[in-house]
Amino acid sequence: SQKIEQNSEALNIQEGKTATLTCNYTNYSPAYLQWYRQDPGRGPVFLLLIRENEKEKRKERLKVTFDTTLKQSLFHITASQPADSATYLCALVKGSSNTGKLIFGQGTTLQVKP
Amino acid sequence: DAGVIQSPRHEVTEMGQEVTLRCKPISGHNSLFWYRQTMMRGLELLIYFNNNVPIDDSGMPEDRFSAKMPNASFSTLKIQPSEPRDSAVYFCASSRPPTSGRAPSYNEQFFGPGTRLTVL
Repeated sequence: SQKIEQNSEALNIQEGKTATLTCNYTNYSPAYLQWYRQDPGRGPVFLLLIRENEKEKRKERLKVTFDTTLKQSLFHITASQPADSATYLCALVKGSSNTGKLIFGQGTTLQVKP
Repeated sequence: DAGVIQSPRHEVTEMGQEVTLRCKPISGHNSLFWYRQTMMRGLELLIYFNNNVPIDDSGMPEDRFSAKMPNASFSTLKIQPSEPRDSAVYFCASSRPPTSGRAPSYNEQFFGPGTRLTVL
């Protein structure tokens, strides 16, 4: 069956360190992958999109990698800050290219301590 | 830009009652998505529309759920009759028109603040 797996346990790191979150998927061949941030009581907010032909994408302190062989995406936040504390969701497109829908992982909660 | 607007923000109702959730997408966005989020199941797509037409409703749990999009600026999600297991946060999201041949899901989605539904 198709699965998207993110670390269910919260990730706790010290301010200034690099946070690395993992998104693994099975039985999918997504053309691209998206990452969202969700704060408590709010809707998800789009962060980055990476295509299957892109190995890496950067935006300010954020970096996403996409390894279609390993079926894995890594999401990095460098020089992390307490304000980065949130739940991070990865999402893949399931279905055909013209009608596909986003399937979200369960999310990983990041806690950055000052 | 006001963003995606949802109402009500909170709804508490009794089992068997009809519930209607409302959504106003961002102006100019022609795709609209309804999601449900629970601790157990995470964020699940219920249905999505493109140009006011339902494209995929395979996530709608049962016939008790129905969604409409009468025009480009308004959509409703109705549950009748509601049950305690429907308790969840319901999100509406919208996205810009996709490039030719691509699904709306290829574009970033802008989520509303959600409606927290509690069915007693």
